[in-house]
Amino acid sequence: GAVVSQHPSWVICKSGTSVKIECRSLDFQATTMFWYRQFPKQSLMLMATSNEGSKATYEQGVEKDKFLINHASLTLSTLTVTSAHPEDSSFYICSAVQSLREAFFGQGTRLTVV
Amino acid sequence: GDSVTQMEGPVTLSEEAFLTINCTYTATGYPSLFWYVQYPGEGLQLLLKATKADDKGSNKGFEATYRKETTSFHLEKGSVQVSDSAVYFCALSDLSGGYQKVTFGTGTKLQVIP
Repeated sequence: GAVVSQHPSWVICKSGTSVKIECRSLDFQATTMFWYRQFPKQSLMLMATSNEGSKATYEQGVEKDKFLINHASLTLSTLTVTSAHPEDSSFYICSAVQSLREAFFGQGTRLTVV
Repeated sequence: GDSVTQMEGPVTLSEEAFLTINCTYTATGYPSLFWYVQYPGEGLQLLLKATKADDKGSNKGFEATYRKETTSFHLEKGSVQVSDSAVYFCALSDLSGGYQKVTFGTGTKLQVIP
């Protein structure tokens, strides 16, 4: 299957700093990429939908100024957690789709804010 | 909007037991349906899919049939193994506002004991 690479796989940062997470589709062009946050009890929360060349669409309750999403090309989307706080600590997962095919997932990023 | 409902877990089974994880959906269009699996400490990976009514997806002994009349896509396996212990997510993929959208269920944790 197609490969989606997410980097870094884990990161520890100090409170108040910003962290950037990259999501790349390695062998296909992703018209749409999604960013999810996974909470301790396993549920996946869709944060935003990112379409190449346009602004991301954020789900209700997700702060767009805090979670900056950029989808500059058909193979790269980035999520920047700005001014991170301990409550932002979580597992962030990206996925990429091409047309109506299945979503392919990155391996996730474990963010810990201390 | 689209939604996916799957049975709450955790589900605990003995090895070689029969597995069913129920999944129902609501969608305005004609979605594709998927089951994803997340092993401990890892990201999500596609387990199986079905793209139209009456299609049966199968992989690694798991199978699910796209039932349009009951809007269901139940996951089954005849004989589970300890290595099947994971979280299973039912999902649908549909076009929304001209863009691809993937909607997940909340996930069902499966624990298989020897």
